Amino acid sequence: DGGITQSPKYLFRKEGQNVTLSCEQNLNHDAMYWYRQDPGQGLRLIYYSQIVNDFQKGDIAEGYSVSREKKESFPLTVTSAQKNPTAFYLCASCGQGYEAFFGQGTRLTVV
Amino acid sequence: QKEVEQNSGPLSVPEGAIASLNCTYSDRGSQSFFWYRQYSGKSPELIMFIYSNGDKEDGRFTAQLNKASQYVSLLIRDSQPSDSATYLCALRRSNDYKLSFGAGTTVTVRA
Repeated sequence: DGGITQSPKYLFRKEGQNVTLSCEQNLNHDAMYWYRQDPGQGLRLIYYSQIVNDFQKGDIAEGYSVSREKKESFPLTVTSAQKNPTAFYLCASCGQGYEAFFGQGTRLTVV
Repeated sequence: QKEVEQNSGPLSVPEGAIASLNCTYSDRGSQSFFWYRQYSGKSPELIMFIYSNGDKEDGRFTAQLNKASQYVSLLIRDSQPSDSATYLCALRRSNDYKLSFGAGTTVTVRA
């Protein structure tokens, strides 16, 4: 089945820890995105990537890092510099048709 | 000024009525426009996309785009209780792949 897979579904982070969220797609899409969603809010763009080995900061990149070493993969690291990381994180990918499709999300909680 | 602004909700409509959702945007370089539906705790799913000025109909949904007024809307005809969700407006720029979302409008359809 073609699609976007995010893992894990739930993630708990201790204060001062870095954690990495996985996003993999087998849709052969060029562009990939990471968004953060807080309760009752819309989607805020963290990072996005048009092609392999290239990515751009979104609107709230501070405290996050990404890599794009393979077309299929776009992992997001939430660093200890992100002081309020508890949120729902969504990964999306976009092909030539321009429509973006989303993974099922990762719910991150600081404990 | 936010890139994408949606009419504030929540919006409550009776079953069978028309729900009207509005979205304005600031970047005239925006090329592609999307409406997503998001149920509570789930990831967004694409309802409609529109690239050209005018109307586009798909079943009970109609998207309208007016690039001169920087305005895009979504009409839901014959609203059903299953349409109760948050609706997100999104746009993609023509010069890169940045995909930005509005804050969303929550719609409740009363049976």
